[in-house]
Amino acid sequence: ELKVEQNPLFLSMQEGKNYTIYCNYSTTSDRLYWYRQDPGKSLESLFVLLSNGAVKQEGRLMASLDTKARLSTLHITAAVHDLSATYFCAVDGLFGNEKLTFGTGTRLTIIP
Amino acid sequence: DSGVTQTPKHLITATGQRVTLRCSPRSGDLSVYWYQQSLDQGLQFLIQYYNGEERAKGNILERFSAQQFPDLHSELNLSSLELGDSALYFCASSGRDRVTSRTSGNTIYFGEGSWLTVV
Repeated sequence: ELKVEQNPLFLSMQEGKNYTIYCNYSTTSDRLYWYRQDPGKSLESLFVLLSNGAVKQEGRLMASLDTKARLSTLHITAAVHDLSATYFCAVDGLFGNEKLTFGTGTRLTIIP
Repeated sequence: DSGVTQTPKHLITATGQRVTLRCSPRSGDLSVYWYQQSLDQGLQFLIQYYNGEERAKGNILERFSAQQFPDLHSELNLSSLELGDSALYFCASSGRDRVTSRTSGNTIYFGEGSWLTVV
């Protein structure tokens, strides 16, 4: 059974600082997703990572994937308050198994 | 706005009752997924339909069922409701299929969710 672990579960950081959220998964997968969720709201797609070494950046967020280590990171650069949210990674199955298994989420709070 | 539409947004019902949640996928998307989000279980995959046929099944209770209609909208039916069924139910859609899924970078888009409270 595919397991996805995120850490930390909670993260409180000051504006302007950098930090990284880690996502480990237990078995080989086709692709890895990062989503953002504001309280009580929908899941907003941030990144889809398809291959080993993939790196994608959008604004202050950068995601990377190491399929050999079964590890993805979401790096936050010079955090701003608007980035406060819960961030989820999710992993897809192989060969058309499109069931997403989600991590527990990282609740990020940016303190002014 | 993801383009995935869910109704109702909020629903309060009593134990033992039955409810139907409705989802319209993004235009052109053939795959529809249902997920349940609760505080204790997190985000759990329930079921996926592709072009009207069941594609994958997750931790969906026997009291729950779903279908996808010819116009590609989907319904999730929850019956004999229990207090523990209170959760946020998400529908999601994607344009991927089994042939292209290994090469497609298409993401899976989520709707706003249906809040179900069982009292």
